[in-house]
Amino acid sequence: EVQLVQSGAEVKKPGESLRISCKASGYSFTSYWITWVRQMPGKGLEWMGRIDPSDSYTNYSPSFQGHVTISADKSISTAYLQWSSLKASDTAMYYCARTTSGSYQHFDYWGQGTLVTVSS
Amino acid sequence: DIQMTQSPSSLSASVGDRVTITCRASQSISSYLNWYQQKPGKAPKLLIYAASSLQSGAPSRFSGSGSGTDFTLTISSLQPEDFATYYCQQSYTTPRTFGQGTKVEIK
Repeated sequence: EVQLVQSGAEVKKPGESLRISCKASGYSFTSYWITWVRQMPGKGLEWMGRIDPSDSYTNYSPSFQGHVTISADKSISTAYLQWSSLKASDTAMYYCARTTSGSYQHFDYWGQGTLVTVSS
Repeated sequence: DIQMTQSPSSLSASVGDRVTITCRASQSISSYLNWYQQKPGKAPKLLIYAASSLQSGAPSRFSGSGSGTDFTLTISSLQPEDFATYYCQQSYTTPRTFGQGTKVEIK
């Protein structure tokens, strides 16, 4: 059974750093990209970027480039999303999603989400 | 970036109704269009990919159509468990982009 299990909710202060995780199981981790999606409170879905776990190649949305870092450790089938300096506007739910390869890519399995709250 | 615009933003419907949601892309995306369902407090769930292919496990009352810039998601007979928010998403180019969502509520 394919599963993506994300790390638990976080409460941080502005300026702090944070890394959240997404652990995959039930499939070959290096055969599918992992995508991160943001959902701010009461808002829609935003594509942040993706990583190919086989070689750690990444794509970022211009809206998030330079503010977050996506990484992966294929030895433990885990992808990460990290911030070096959080802002209050980073308060949101963050989802990881398995991304099919080849043509007509889509997000076929999702993690349960990690709620990040940034408040002074 | 390719802009995805859904209509309506919300709708009220009754159980058994036929419901249609539209999604328009700001440029042609061929059939690189996916649909997701999200219920409150839950992660999104894939319904349709490549504009018209039903994801394994998704109910057959869901169908998708369209190509180029105009797409539709149809629920043939609305069921109680279908009350949710629906998002379209293009996979033609990066950055991938989503529509703003359509909330389907109970009439």
